[in-house]
Amino acid sequence: SQQGEEDPQALSIQEGENATMNCSYKTSINNLQWYRQNSGRGLVHLILIRSNEREKHSGRLRVTLDTSKKSSSLLITASRAADTASYFCATGLSGSRLTFGEGTQLTVNP
Amino acid sequence: DAGVIQSPRHEVTEMGQEVTLRCKPISGHDYLFWYRQTMMRGLELLIYFNNNVPIDDSGMPEDRFSAKMPNASFSTLKIQPSEPRDSAVYFCASSSDRTSYTFGSGTRLTVV
Repeated sequence: SQQGEEDPQALSIQEGENATMNCSYKTSINNLQWYRQNSGRGLVHLILIRSNEREKHSGRLRVTLDTSKKSSSLLITASRAADTASYFCATGLSGSRLTFGEGTQLTVNP
Repeated sequence: DAGVIQSPRHEVTEMGQEVTLRCKPISGHDYLFWYRQTMMRGLELLIYFNNNVPIDDSGMPEDRFSAKMPNASFSTLKIQPSEPRDSAVYFCASSSDRTSYTFGSGTRLTVV
């Protein structure tokens, strides 16, 4: 079964707006990662945040992690049409493999 | 490095036929994963290997599915006999440390 659950399932915004996606998980984790999947392509690793970190930035991406609430959020600032994709969170436990959520479909309208 | 390479990109086959999907991981990556993606079930881990040895095959749906990794640069996922419900996109991914995964472009399988 999938551990990570993304919210919302779908998000449609205008170019230039910020997009926020959330992920909740059930068990303790070692790290949490976000991946992007363009239509018809494989997943691409975006960013990893470790369980002892609270926030991480990479370009226009900002990820937060709240281990007490077992949740994470991915913020994409100043969105572009090219950001249109599905975004997945994946949770990792030391010594185990990644478990992926079901994804948020983001549509950025030009 | 060319990344994780999967072949074929698309496969259409008739029910009952054998299907073989292929994957070449990134050189130096010790972990290889096979995933299946469908609208209904999302991304499911089928099996993963470490140093060519299968570690966890609990996600393999049934005996019709088998996977091998004869060497560090090649893996196959075989379905025999194939059924319409096997239609999905099958992804191979590799990793050097089991944290960040690199995915291939997938094989879209259609069983008619």
